[in-house]
Amino acid sequence: ETGVTQTPRHLVMGMTNKKSLKCEQHLGHNAMYWYKQSAKKPLELMFVYSLEERVENNSVPSRFSPECPNSSHLFLHLHTLQPEDSALYLCASSLDRGYYEQYFGPGTRLTVT
Amino acid sequence: DAKTTQPNSMESNEEEPVHLPCNHSTISGTDYIHWYRQLPSQGPEYVIHGLTSNVNNRMASLAIAEDRKSSTLILHRATLRDAAVYYCILRDVRDGGGSEKLVFGKGTKLTVNP
Repeated sequence: ETGVTQTPRHLVMGMTNKKSLKCEQHLGHNAMYWYKQSAKKPLELMFVYSLEERVENNSVPSRFSPECPNSSHLFLHLHTLQPEDSALYLCASSLDRGYYEQYFGPGTRLTVT
Repeated sequence: DAKTTQPNSMESNEEEPVHLPCNHSTISGTDYIHWYRQLPSQGPEYVIHGLTSNVNNRMASLAIAEDRKSSTLILHRATLRDAAVYYCILRDVRDGGGSEKLVFGKGTKLTVNP
């Protein structure tokens, strides 16, 4: 595997479910990101991790809980989501924080019913 | 954030060059110009970036105006695979400039005709 991978690619969950999104990067990067992309809004940065430490949390509701066990893996734990949380969730990585180019995974298309 | 302006859509024919414009009249001296694209049903993909001089890589060329208030992404020979939404973004090189946040506008949707 090369680049940034995300699983699952598609996820349908009820509002009471708990699920997790997984991201893995094979680029040796130090920074990882979660973004949300919905049809009616531009790309929204959710979380930033640098060397496994969360360095930014852009006012994301607590029903989204990130985890970064090492610099290659990033998870987004989901619980009691709302229908408006349906969106494409994108993981990205970059060499380091800052203005370096970011490499994105294919995303997880999440539908909350 | 410094803003960019791009046409909503453009059309090209396969194997012809494509010039995608971007206006950024309020660009600051520490802003890099980045281009990303997003193919249908995929995550965004980095294309190229530059500061003042024109830049070339295997995907495209970036031509930056002398006053830096505009730039043009050049695809030398468009293929069907280049059909995507192209985003022009300004990113502040200074630490703490919020540069890790990619701020995408609406971008330019490029259609490539066979």
